[in-house]
Amino acid sequence: DTGVSQDPRHKITKRGQNVTFRCDPISEHNRLYWYRQTLGQGPEFLTYFQNEAQLEKSRLLSDRFSAERPKGSFSTLEIQRTEQGDSAMYLCASSLEGGDYEILTVNTEAFFGQGTRLTVV
Amino acid sequence: AQKITQTQPGMFVQEKEAVTLDCTYDTSDPSYGLFWYKQPSSGEMIFLIYQGSYDQQNATEGRYSLNFQKARKSANLVISASQLGDSAMYFCAMREVRMNSGYSTLTFGKGTMLLVSP
Repeated sequence: DTGVSQDPRHKITKRGQNVTFRCDPISEHNRLYWYRQTLGQGPEFLTYFQNEAQLEKSRLLSDRFSAERPKGSFSTLEIQRTEQGDSAMYLCASSLEGGDYEILTVNTEAFFGQGTRLTVV
Repeated sequence: AQKITQTQPGMFVQEKEAVTLDCTYDTSDPSYGLFWYKQPSSGEMIFLIYQGSYDQQNATEGRYSLNFQKARKSANLVISASQLGDSAMYFCAMREVRMNSGYSTLTFGKGTMLLVSP
């Protein structure tokens, strides 16, 4: 399978615990995105990487959240001191696009993984 | 203000009939892209169709077509000959060019739940 994969698919944790999710993008894709989706809502952008560089972070990404993509391949999203409001589906997506400012692309679709559903109890 | 508005929380259609899912958007950027994604109960977002702001013709992909009305800022998805497997959430999304940073990300609407009955 060469699609985007996320691990784990489901995570139940107690409030106050730390959790880490992993995303493996499509191998040649240089961009990787994290989204959060709560019940009844569309996905909301959290952050994205161009190769290993984290280029943008949403204001939704509080200090308790950190994302890394150390070698420009897989990415991890860590949530520290989880709260019940963190319960959501966390979606990862990847795409292959031109870099930097010279090429501004809007037509490249992002391929999504199946998500990690987090429940904080 | 909402960037993407999907006013239909749910839609019902009979198998083999056509259905239109509404989407309006808000942007002041001249260059943008509009996407539709399908999300079945498994959770994965599946790309369906894309329309660019400068495209002269409406996009089509198999049974999916996009009714793009730029002046009205609408990008409705039309599914022809509905199938039982089309039952899912459908999300409209927009991607803009950010003039300050040069980068763009997808902004999603709240979605429409489509149920196809036999």
